[in-house]
Parts: sequence; structure tokens; C-alpha cells
Amino acid sequence: AQSVTQLGSHVSVSEGALVLLRCNYSSSVPPYLFWYVQYPNQGLQLLLKYTSAATLVKGINGFEAEFKKSETSFHLTKPSAHMSDAAEYFCAVSDRAAGNKLTFGGGTRVLVKP
Amino acid sequence: NAGVTQTPKFRILKIGQSMTLQCAQDMNHNYMYWYRQDPGMGLKLIYYSVGAGITDKGEVPNGYNVSRSTTEDFPLRLELAAPSQTSVYFCASTKDSANSPLHFGNGTRLTVT
Repeated sequence: AQSVTQLGSHVSVSEGALVLLRCNYSSSVPPYLFWYVQYPNQGLQLLLKYTSAATLVKGINGFEAEFKKSETSFHLTKPSAHMSDAAEYFCAVSDRAAGNKLTFGGGTRVLVKP
Repeated sequence: NAGVTQTPKFRILKIGQSMTLQCAQDMNHNYMYWYRQDPGMGLKLIYYSVGAGITDKGEVPNGYNVSRSTTEDFPLRLELAAPSQTSVYFCASTKDSANSPLHFGNGTRLTVT
């Protein structure tokens, strides 16, 4: 069974500071990994995805994530936080063997301080 | 371009009542999913479908039923509502391949009292 662990349910950063959200996964096959963002009262939107083409993946809004197989990690970063980055972020792994189901982590809520 | 449409946006049910959450997509996606979101728990898969006429259980199917008579629609049925079903429900769809992103609706917030 696949699983995803996000370290830290809440993260507080100052505007302009580095954003680092941690994600570790377990999967029996080479994974497809995703980061989604959820703004208040909305559904989830795709930030970026890893599908084995390149280990450093760039997404929308200046976010990027690095796949590290040896650490089973897929941490999300942004060099400089903006007030509009305040949202909840979810890491997910795709189960290619069963209907492409996504297994989500518990989410990390980001607060950006002025 | 509607994408994934969920209705209603909000609903309050009494214990034991039943209701159907509607989900429709206009992208001709074969794969559709129902998730529930509870604070601090992420999203848990309730049911999913890989095409019309085919459905399967996810991680938390108890108390729910689904049907998929068309490619476009994937309703979720609650037969005997319980307080434990108070949650935000999201419908999502995707193309066939595992690396295709999910497209989410805006959710239905359900309260059972």
C-alpha cells in the first residue's frame, strides 16, 4: 500500500523568505508524485508533478520540487514567499496499479506573515 | 469551460436522512473519484470509477454508494446520514494515464446533525 507523510501540519513564513514543505512517500513501484494547492473554499489545483523525466520539477507560481529516490522524498520549495502563497498544500502519490488513485498526505497549511 | 461541477455547495442533513451529491464533468474523462476531506486528515478516497458502468471502493466506502451510468456523471449517495459523515466532499476526474492531474470540483460541505 502506498502512503504519503507531510511533516508539519502548519508552517509560518515571512514574506520574502524561503518556503519549504516536506513530503515523504512509500510506494512499491516507481512513483508518480504530485503537489496540489488548495485556496480557501476551493478545490485542489495542480502545482507540479514528477513522472520520472527529471528529478527537479518546476511548477506554477515559482514553486519547484526535487525527487530524491534514496530519501523517498519530494519536498516542495519556493525561494521567496508571497502573501498569495497562503493556502494548504498537499503531496500525493499515484497508484498506477489500481485506477490511478491518488493517495494524499495530511496537508500543510502555510501562513505568510507580512 | 465548466470542468468538474458539484452540487449542492452546502447541505445540512438530519441523522438518518439520505441525499445524493451530484458530480458532472464535461472533459470526457474516463476516471472519476469521490474524496472526503477532514481537518488534518488530507483527502480520503471513498469510491472511484474507471469508466461508465465500472465502480470500485476506495479507502472509506462505508455508508456511501455510487453509480456511473454515463461518462459525464458520478453521483454519490448517502443512505442513512450519520454525524461521522460531516465533511467536505470533493469530486475529481482525470484522463486515463497515471501521470495526468486530477481536476477537482469546488466541493460540497455537508453537515449531519
